[in-house]
Amino acid sequence: GAGVSQSPSNKVTEKGKDVELRCDPISGHTALYWYRQSLGQGLEFLIYFQGNSAPDKSGLPSDRFSAERTGGSVSTLTIQRTQQEDSAVYLCASSLNRPGGPRTDTQYFGPGTRLTVL
Amino acid sequence: AQSVSQHNHHVILSEAASLELGCNYSYGGTVNLFWYVQYPGQHLQLLLKYFSGDPLVKGIKGFEAEFIKSKFSFNLRKPSVQWSDTAEYFCAVKPLIYNQGGKLIFGQGTELSVKP
Repeated sequence: GAGVSQSPSNKVTEKGKDVELRCDPISGHTALYWYRQSLGQGLEFLIYFQGNSAPDKSGLPSDRFSAERTGGSVSTLTIQRTQQEDSAVYLCASSLNRPGGPRTDTQYFGPGTRLTVL
Repeated sequence: AQSVSQHNHHVILSEAASLELGCNYSYGGTVNLFWYVQYPGQHLQLLLKYFSGDPLVKGIKGFEAEFIKSKFSFNLRKPSVQWSDTAEYFCAVKPLIYNQGGKLIFGQGTELSVKP
């Protein structure tokens, strides 16, 4: 079946502009995660959505970063007033997280959006 | 703070050599453990995972990993590497604060280059 998809695949923006990155999780997956991959910082957790629960925003680096998940499916990560240090690959992952029974919370990753802030 | 340490940043091997990549984590509670691989130009793919039970887990493409709880380690092994194993390998830990779900904590990654 279809995996996690992200758009755009590449985004170049100027410092100070706002950007929106989109993630379509695997159909039926209840959990969605955003991570950031950058040189020197490795892979960092940003935010986690689980069903209708309040998201875990503990990894967001500043209040310029926010994310939404509409209808329990598609998610948008928004970065306001972008800075050069925001340049990175932004990865989205999803997992099934079906309660009870065998564990189903393995995370499957999308191809990422490469953000370059000039 | 929880952290994951991968000892080798870059490993260079010849084909047919054996591979062992180290991974240690710092967290005193129960964890799930993962190895992900990122081939050049591709996205992160799951190589193998440990949730419970037999501490020796087998993954795709002949990879295996052993969870040693007393050493907080989850080392990745392959007896004979191929050129196609050239990739970056990431160890990840998920503290079991919740029954399911929760963030992954990644190591810094190990770049493996296999010479034909």
